[in-house]
Amino acid sequence: AQSVTQLGSHVSVSEGALVLLRCNYSSSVPPYLFWYVQYPNQGLQLLLKYTSAATLVKGINGFEAEFKKSETSFHLTKPSAHMSDAAEYFCAVPLTGGFKTIFGAGTRLFVKA
Amino acid sequence: NAGVTQTPKFQVLKTGQSMTLQCAQDMNHNSMYWYRQDPGMGLRLIYYSASEGTTDKGEVPNGYNVSRLNKREFSLRLESAAPSQTSVYFCASSPGVNTEAFFGQGTRLTVV
Repeated sequence: AQSVTQLGSHVSVSEGALVLLRCNYSSSVPPYLFWYVQYPNQGLQLLLKYTSAATLVKGINGFEAEFKKSETSFHLTKPSAHMSDAAEYFCAVPLTGGFKTIFGAGTRLFVKA
Repeated sequence: NAGVTQTPKFQVLKTGQSMTLQCAQDMNHNSMYWYRQDPGMGLRLIYYSASEGTTDKGEVPNGYNVSRLNKREFSLRLESAAPSQTSVYFCASSPGVNTEAFFGQGTRLTVV
């Protein structure tokens, strides 16, 4: 069955440092992958999505993710962290048929001044 | 453009009480979903409605019922609340298969 694993429930970086949030999917290659962001006391909103058109996907707020089939990974990166990036981030994959989406457990990003 | 609107935002129930969480979307989306979010567990799908007139169970449907009232509205009912149903509930909608979901602001439910 398709699944996603996010490594690290908490990640802390300094402002201006590289952000790297890890996501691995199960061995069957998914046609779609999503990253969502959740700010405190809000719902989730889409950061970016992979749709097989390109392995490097650019999203909002300077985030990007690279799909690597050989590593079964879809890690989220941002070159320089801002205080406003502090939030929880979720990797997600739709199951075959597309209506059910599996979410990772989430990674909370802390940004230190 | 309100997107996905959930009511109420907060609710405290006593064990055994019932309540209905309301959700409405104004984006003309076909599919709607109810998730619960618990610390360290991500989001888990309770029920979904692929299109108006259909509903299906998700990962954790026990203790819940849903109604797709029309294309806009999808409600979640707890018939007899239990402390294990203390959670944050999110409604979401999407245009269809393999598309991104648009989420409401959530309902924080506490069952005592």
